[in-house]
Amino acid sequence: KNQVEQSPQSLIILEGKNCTLQCNYTVSPFSNLRWYKQDTGRGPVSLTIMTFSENTKSNGRYTATLDADTKQSSLHITASQLSDSASYICVVSAYSGKSTFGDGTTLTVKP
Amino acid sequence: EAGVAQSPRYKIIEKRQSVAFWCNPISGHATLYWYQQILGQGPKLLIQFQNNGVVDDSQLPKDRFSAERLKGVDSTLKIQPAKLEDSAVYLCASSLDPREGYNEQFFGPGTRLTVL
Repeated sequence: KNQVEQSPQSLIILEGKNCTLQCNYTVSPFSNLRWYKQDTGRGPVSLTIMTFSENTKSNGRYTATLDADTKQSSLHITASQLSDSASYICVVSAYSGKSTFGDGTTLTVKP
Repeated sequence: EAGVAQSPRYKIIEKRQSVAFWCNPISGHATLYWYQQILGQGPKLLIQFQNNGVVDDSQLPKDRFSAERLKGVDSTLKIQPAKLEDSAVYLCASSLDPREGYNEQFFGPGTRLTVL
């Protein structure tokens, strides 16, 4: 069964600090992995996408990494801002086009 | 470019009542998804349409939930009768054909349903 597990479930950090979110998956055959950001009361928005051959992708202060051998991904946020407070969802897609969503990590950035 | 539109944004009903949600996807997107998102969880796929045909409705509680996408554009999701456990945010998303690798899903703002 395809599964995506994210950790930690929630995280609180101070503004300006860095943090790393984790995603482990068992989706097969693997096509790509996306990280989405979901602000409170809004729909998720794609931050990054990585295919099998890519092991890192950046979008501003967000850097995603992928280890396809261990089936792990991480999302690193540098110099956090209050606006980074949101839920971050890892989504892994198979070649069939079917996507499996993780339950997300809720990040709170405090001043 | 206009995003995915959903209405209403909020709905409060009593159990056993019926409710309907509407979604208008991004123009040109053949694939439309309905998700249920319970607080603290990730979105759970209810149904996926490719144009006006159903691709996946394996997790749709068909005894009470129904969805249609007439003419391959707008879609409605209905719950009848509603139960307390249906309280959630219902998200609509659209994308180009995921079978061709275009699987970035664009989400609407969602409808927050409260069943009392």
